[in-house]
Amino acid sequence: EPEVTQTPSHQVTQMGQEVILRCVPISNHLYFYWYRQILGQKVEFLVSFYNNEISEKSEIFDDQFSVERPDGSNFTLKIRSTKLEDSAMYFCASSEVSGNSPLHFGNGTRLTVT
Amino acid sequence: GQQLNQSPQSMFIQEGEDVSMNCTSSSIFNTWLWYKQDPGEGPVLLIALYKAGELTSNGRLTAQFGITRKDSFLNISASIPSDVGIYFCAGLPQGGSEKLVFGKGMKLTVNP
Repeated sequence: EPEVTQTPSHQVTQMGQEVILRCVPISNHLYFYWYRQILGQKVEFLVSFYNNEISEKSEIFDDQFSVERPDGSNFTLKIRSTKLEDSAMYFCASSEVSGNSPLHFGNGTRLTVT
Repeated sequence: GQQLNQSPQSMFIQEGEDVSMNCTSSSIFNTWLWYKQDPGEGPVLLIALYKAGELTSNGRLTAQFGITRKDSFLNISASIPSDVGIYFCAGLPQGGSEKLVFGKGMKLTVNP
């Protein structure tokens, strides 16, 4: 069964450094998402992306965050200057269409900011 | 913003028992999804519901989309040890938002 793949599985970085989290969504999916989960808490929406542009973003997704689909397969999340509170699991997800098809999640990247 | 209230927060059951969990909201949702998350992994889709009143099964799992569109439940019958994990409800709110709202999760422990 096709799946969403994320790399790396764990990223440790120092506060203030830039990080790029990578995702390969399911190949025939058109909508892409990033969610995050702080340890022990619920999963929170960050951003949705369709047709090469952001379609919706949350208040968490401030100017320090950006997303990009640099080619036909990858979908990346960049955090420009990481803060301690950015430490979390970051999940990429994709869906065929918006609304009436479910999101399929990757296994996440655990980001630790020291 | 829209919130999902998921209950119970945790359950400890014996292998073979059935378990029920639900999610409620004060807002209307157009889609309800149930996910299971194992430690260190991403949420795995269990059941998707798209119409009010819809009742869907997936093996030993059964979920329903509440008729008011403000609630959903998930039942697991004849639990087995591998059912252990955290179960999340998630919903797409009415209004066209693509933002999937998650409940806080229910941690299930199954004693063999």
